[in-house]
Amino acid sequence: DAMVIQNPRYQVTQFGKPVTLSCSQTLNHNVMYWYQQKSSQAPKLLFHYYDKDFNNEADTPDNFQSRRPNTSFCFLDIRSPGLGDAAMYLCATSSPGLAGTYEQYFGPGTRLTVT
Amino acid sequence: SQQGEEDPQALSIQEGENATMNCSYKTSINNLQWYRQNSGRGLVHLILIRSNEREKHSGRLRVTLDTSKKSSSLLITASRAADTASYFCAVIQGAQKLVFGQGTRLTINP
Repeated sequence: DAMVIQNPRYQVTQFGKPVTLSCSQTLNHNVMYWYQQKSSQAPKLLFHYYDKDFNNEADTPDNFQSRRPNTSFCFLDIRSPGLGDAAMYLCATSSPGLAGTYEQYFGPGTRLTVT
Repeated sequence: SQQGEEDPQALSIQEGENATMNCSYKTSINNLQWYRQNSGRGLVHLILIRSNEREKHSGRLRVTLDTSKKSSSLLITASRAADTASYFCAVIQGAQKLVFGQGTRLTINP
């Protein structure tokens, strides 16, 4: 019944060691998003895909990249994680819906620890 | 830029009481959404109110929208321990993007 799945739920990586987080969806939604959320803060959008069109936020560090090989999957690559990249990473999906509402469906998140 | 600002940042009440959270935003909107986040989990969509609506109900949730004041409120009636969570308002910015407020951390005490 899971609609947005994130793996792994917990990821530990070493400082500077590349890491990939994955997200998959069974909703067939056009749009997939990656957010970074630090403790007691709002989710911060890193980038999103509308179908194959990639949209990067202006303040997303170059250290973060994303791939969407097909409708169902989206990956977040962190090329050289720093201690400041430790956070919860949330994947979400949406479609235009009625009158462009873009209600978002979130996965459970991946908690990234950098040692 | 931050669209949604929420107030209060934290709220602690007794079970059975009502909880009210407020959200203000800066620009014109066509809808405003509220989400809940349980500790260490993803966000869950609660309710959406369109710009031409003033009030909307869903179970124990009541949302109001005042576009002249650019503000919204979320009321949870007859609170339960399971309502303990963070609550975020969100508005669309540009195309397809939601911008979230800082959230209200709600604690329901038994």
